[in-house]
Amino acid sequence: RKEVEQDPGPFNVPEGATVAFNCTYSNSASQSFFWYRQDCRKEPKLLMSVYSSGNEDGRFTAQLNRASQYISLLIRDSKLSDSATYLCVVYSSASKIIFGSGTRLSIRP
Amino acid sequence: GAVVSQHPSWVICKSGTSVKIECRSLDFQATTMFWYRQFPKQSLMLMATSNEGSKATYEQGVEKDKFLINHASLTLSTLTVTSAHPEDSSFYICSASSWAGYTFGSGTRLTVV
Repeated sequence: RKEVEQDPGPFNVPEGATVAFNCTYSNSASQSFFWYRQDCRKEPKLLMSVYSSGNEDGRFTAQLNRASQYISLLIRDSKLSDSATYLCVVYSSASKIIFGSGTRLSIRP
Repeated sequence: GAVVSQHPSWVICKSGTSVKIECRSLDFQATTMFWYRQFPKQSLMLMATSNEGSKATYEQGVEKDKFLINHASLTLSTLTVTSAHPEDSSFYICSASSWAGYTFGSGTRLTVV
């Protein structure tokens, strides 16, 4: 079993739709959780951190469920510019970073 | 702030030659840098952890004699792909930890022909 498993996608949704991704992790001692966005042939860039209390940044909402060991990302009112690959990232310790395989999202006009 | 500069952004080399990739932290000191490899449509895979002034720590399955890492200063880590083969063609990315979290270099697309 992979340490971090993610919805493989691809998700192809119309502009304006709401889309959600999930990511599960196997190490209960994992400390920090993040969502990164990666555009084609580019480096990943931090989208947002994920906290147990949930956090929201504009159209994006991230949630962490420690009991079930999963994190989620919700995108509301999706835009064409949201098309990218979204990576779930788990920090097990200060020197151990695990990336999910990524979920490809394509927004169509 | 917290910029990581990676060069070159792309390189084409002949099979059997060596290629050096540089990763610099421009406005912070990075005692630890991470090197990743990403094949098409796959996620980033950690290759090794580079520690300033000491030997790098390689992940299982990564040949340390083939992927030479040098971290001689607090702002520079290099990855040298030795005797490159076509199967080494990939996207190589470095990252470092700073006050802004983990910052990635812009990546190097290596094509071995």
